[in-house]
Amino acid sequence: DSGVTQTPKHLITATGQRVTLRCSPRSGDLSVYWYQQSLDQGLQFLIQYYNGEERAKGNILERFSAQQFPDLHSELNLSSLELGDSALYFCASSVEGTSPTVQYFGPGTRLTVT
Amino acid sequence: QKEVEQDPGPLSVPEGAIVSLNCTYSNSAFQYFMWYRQYSRKGPELLMYTYSSGNKEDGRFTAQVDKSSKYISLFIRDSQPSDSATYLCAGRAAGNKLTFGGGTRVLVKP
Repeated sequence: DSGVTQTPKHLITATGQRVTLRCSPRSGDLSVYWYQQSLDQGLQFLIQYYNGEERAKGNILERFSAQQFPDLHSELNLSSLELGDSALYFCASSVEGTSPTVQYFGPGTRLTVT
Repeated sequence: QKEVEQDPGPLSVPEGAIVSLNCTYSNSAFQYFMWYRQYSRKGPELLMYTYSSGNKEDGRFTAQVDKSSKYISLFIRDSQPSDSATYLCAGRAAGNKLTFGGGTRVLVKP
């Protein structure tokens, strides 16, 4: 158990809908990362937040957005969902100041868009 | 072309054999290289990381990096059925963004 929690575990929704995925980082970790894992694209970095501020952006679609709250939990919002958005979404967290910064992954949320 | 390439496998070996996993990468800015293990329906967990070229050993695991040929390897000695998983290599440039390969599925048969 990495100490990173994600809810829900599974989510089934229809095209065009909007969903919110939630992540709680390990105690003491200020950074949160979101990744998408699909069969054709593999594990891809979406976005990183550090202590409430966006720090780095990857291949995140404009339909997707994220935020990190004062209690350090993070939410990933996916809107206008398409079939191709079906994937595993992972959250990871890390503490800054170590070299390299080790990212600890949560168990993921499996999103199915029908 | 993807920045990090891995053979998807599956790689099937008998218990006790050496598992040899490889990745190639194209981004010369990568400073650190990581190996993650992912069991089915679980999140990736960090196995090892290496910085620059050379070898690093941790128990049954050895990671190698050859920056001149942009080639990274992971060897698992005395493989066990519990090593059956997907192994992901990743490169990290400046900042904390990880770029992953597609993963190699490994099956260790008793």
